Amino acid sequence: QKEVEQNSGPLSVPEGAIASLNCTYSDRGSQSFFWYRQYSGKSPELIMSIYSNGDKEDGRFTAQLNKASQYVSLLIRDSQPSDSATYLCAVVTSGTYKYIFGTGTRLKVLA
Amino acid sequence: DTAVSQTPKYLVTQMGNDKSIKCEQNLGHDTMYWYKQDSKKFLKIMFSYNNKELIINETVPNRFSPKSPDKAHLNLHINSLELGDSAVYFCASSPAGGLGSETQYFGPGTRLLVL
Repeated sequence: QKEVEQNSGPLSVPEGAIASLNCTYSDRGSQSFFWYRQYSGKSPELIMSIYSNGDKEDGRFTAQLNKASQYVSLLIRDSQPSDSATYLCAVVTSGTYKYIFGTGTRLKVLA
Repeated sequence: DTAVSQTPKYLVTQMGNDKSIKCEQNLGHDTMYWYKQDSKKFLKIMFSYNNKELIINETVPNRFSPKSPDKAHLNLHINSLELGDSAVYFCASSPAGGLGSETQYFGPGTRLLVL
């Protein structure tokens, strides 16, 4: 079982719709969770971090964390073509404090 | 005023050669990292240094050797390059002890192609 799993996609949504990206992780003791966005040929950049169960909102982005079910998700409201990118989920493992990245979900927002 | 910079941006070389990639951060961060991103976009940590001290050393071939002359620099030297080393190598940094609750800031990446 991979430590951090994401559906590779592509996930295609029409402009203005809500994009829902999901991530599951295997280390039950993980405490820190991050979503990064990576445009083609560019480096990852942080979108959201979340540490507690529940929702965290920042503009059009909402991160959701459920530690009991070991999943974290990212919702993008009013999706724009400029949101088209690969979204990487990162989980920090307990004990070793390593960032473990998922393989990323490629999002396509159709104009 | 680039925060995390890497040189070179592109590196094309023959199998068997030795090459180095340099990374510098001007953010005043204590912890620096090297990641490898393969053709399937999987981003995997290789090494982490905190204040010039190695704190994470993943299972990578010992042909890869990181060196941190000071906390603002982390270089990666690769001996006897192989075809499978072709990837994008990202340097990153984070503010404090690398204890996992901090954002990582990534450099622009070095695209290595081994022929």
